[in-house]
Amino acid sequence: GNSVTQMEGPVTLSEEAFLTINCTYTATGYPSLFWYVQYPGEGLQLLLKATKADDKGSNKGFEATYRKETTSFHLEKGSVQVSDSAVYFCAMGEAGTALIFGKGTTLSVSS
Amino acid sequence: DAGVTQSPTHLIKTRGQQVTLRCSPKSGHDTVSWYQQALGQGPQFIFQYYEEEERQRGNFPDRFSGHQFPNYSSELNVNALLLGDSALYLCASSAVVSYNEQFFGPGTRLTVL
Repeated sequence: GNSVTQMEGPVTLSEEAFLTINCTYTATGYPSLFWYVQYPGEGLQLLLKATKADDKGSNKGFEATYRKETTSFHLEKGSVQVSDSAVYFCAMGEAGTALIFGKGTTLSVSS
Repeated sequence: DAGVTQSPTHLIKTRGQQVTLRCSPKSGHDTVSWYQQALGQGPQFIFQYYEEEERQRGNFPDRFSGHQFPNYSSELNVNALLLGDSALYLCASSAVVSYNEQFFGPGTRLTVL
């Protein structure tokens, strides 16, 4: 069945370090892919999305490219800040279906 | 423009009780989905409502039921609460033309004692 797998955390980085959070998916069709971020005590915020192969989603310095050949959607940021500390969720959604989420990756950035 | 709102913020119930959670979608959205997020886990899909009907349902028992009103707001009802129902319940809204892009509310934290 359809599923999303993302790297286990926690990920601990120093400010200005490079971030990569890996995400791979299994799908029978052609899903849209998303990254959501959840700050402590809050709901989920859509960070970026890509709707078809080779699309690149970007927002607030974060980027992810929809790679159909490797069924991946890795999240990257060139220089993280303390304020980026949060839980990041990779998700997929095919037309007419609910979102399927990964288990989340906790990012902790120290100054 | 108000985003997705949910009430109450927190709720404490005892086993066997019933609970109702409420959600108002983002302006312009007509589809509401409910998710359960257990501690340390990703959200799990419960069901989705569109045009006041349940359009899709996840792997949750019949104790979980819902409703959508003509103004697109929605309720989630859980009967015969179990300790395992303790979680953050998230409501997400979307427009039917782009139902994969869902906007989430802050959630309701339910604790079952």
